[in-house]
Amino acid sequence: AQKVTQAQTEISVVEKEDVTLDCVYETRDTTYYLFWYKQPPSGELVFLIRRNSFDEQNEISGRYSWNFQKSTSSFNFTITASQVVDSAVYFCALSEGNTGFQKLVFGTGTRLLVSP
Amino acid sequence: DTEVTQTPKHLVMGMTNKKSLKCEQHMGHRAMYWYKQKAKKPPELMFVYSYEKLSINESVPSRFSPECPNSSLLNLHLHALQPEDSALYLCASSQDFTPAGTTDTQYFGPGTRLTVL
Repeated sequence: AQKVTQAQTEISVVEKEDVTLDCVYETRDTTYYLFWYKQPPSGELVFLIRRNSFDEQNEISGRYSWNFQKSTSSFNFTITASQVVDSAVYFCALSEGNTGFQKLVFGTGTRLLVSP
Repeated sequence: DTEVTQTPKHLVMGMTNKKSLKCEQHMGHRAMYWYKQKAKKPPELMFVYSYEKLSINESVPSRFSPECPNSSLLNLHLHALQPEDSALYLCASSQDFTPAGTTDTQYFGPGTRLTVL
């Protein structure tokens, strides 16, 4: 069965600090996809990134970077020089297969609080 | 343009009321989803429509009735709800059919915050 674990319930940092959000997943499939979504207080889930199981290259997008390691079944998310606007709940999610619509399995989320 | 809209933003209803939540997307997506999210919990899938046909019903009580009038619209009809149904209801859409080797990313709307009195 699929499972996503986000062990960090809540993280508090001061602006400009770097912060890493952990995500560990379990799946029996060889083809799967990993996602990160951001949910600010307004409620909307904002898509940040997806990564397929065959692509272990790390990705950087501005202050955001992602580290995918199949050996440890982890897909961690780092925010560099955090800002107050980064305060949100971040969800890691997993889906299997590569055709048609997908069922997402979400982790429990990590609440990030960035204070000025 | 990855926009999914939902109306209303907030809804307060009594247990005997009938109301509807609406969701719309104009991205040409053929899969649409309803999720329920309780406070401090991840979203829970309720229903999936694929090409306007109900494909997944995650054992949702019949007081929730989904409808997909066309490929751009998704409704959730509510009747005789309970206070424990108070939650954020999120709609999402995705392309559905994708070439092999790619995947189907879900894009979410802003949600409707429902309070049942």
